[in-house]
Amino acid sequence: AQSVSQHNHHVILSEAASLELGCNYSYGGTVNLFWYVQYPGQHLQLLLKYFSGDPLVKGIKGFEAEFIKSKFSFNLRKPSVQWSDTAEYFCAVNAQGNTGKLIFGQGTTLQVKP
Amino acid sequence: ETGVTQTPRHLVMGMTNKKSLKCEQHLGHNAMYWYKQSAKKPLELMFVYSLEERVENNSVPSRFSPECPNSSHLFLHLHTLQPEDSALYLCASSQLLGAGSGELFFGEGSRLTVL
Repeated sequence: AQSVSQHNHHVILSEAASLELGCNYSYGGTVNLFWYVQYPGQHLQLLLKYFSGDPLVKGIKGFEAEFIKSKFSFNLRKPSVQWSDTAEYFCAVNAQGNTGKLIFGQGTTLQVKP
Repeated sequence: ETGVTQTPRHLVMGMTNKKSLKCEQHLGHNAMYWYKQSAKKPLELMFVYSLEERVENNSVPSRFSPECPNSSHLFLHLHTLQPEDSALYLCASSQLLGAGSGELFFGEGSRLTVL
């Protein structure tokens, strides 16, 4: 069965620090990869996605993620975080052709101190 | 405004009650989903509907009963729930199922508390 593992459950950073959130998945086939973000009191929304092509994907608000197929990883990065990045971040995987069945990790809570 | 509206936002019910959660999407999508979000656990996919037909039932207990009368509306009927069913129930929609799909648009959720 597919699964998604996010290594960091709670991350606390100061503003301007660099961020990297780990995500690994288990599935041997071709996948689509996503990072969703949930700001306090708001709905889940898409941060960025990878379907194919350049494994370095850029998303909104300066976030990027790199797909490393050999490591089954899709880590999220941002060079310099802001207080407004405080949110919960979810990695998700969809096996291509698997009728939209998105499998989520358990989420990482990011707290950015001003 | 997400394009996916869920009501009610909060619901408290006893174990013998019957209630329903409602979801409406204004995005012209043809697939809709119910997810359960519990604290410290990954989002759990419950049901998937494509063109009003259920295509996924992820081993969900029968006390949860989905209904999709048209491509814009999705319900989750609740009866004889247990306290462990307390969670945030998220509705989502997407344009297509299958290869190349997977981007979901979520509502803000219905926070359910079972006493």
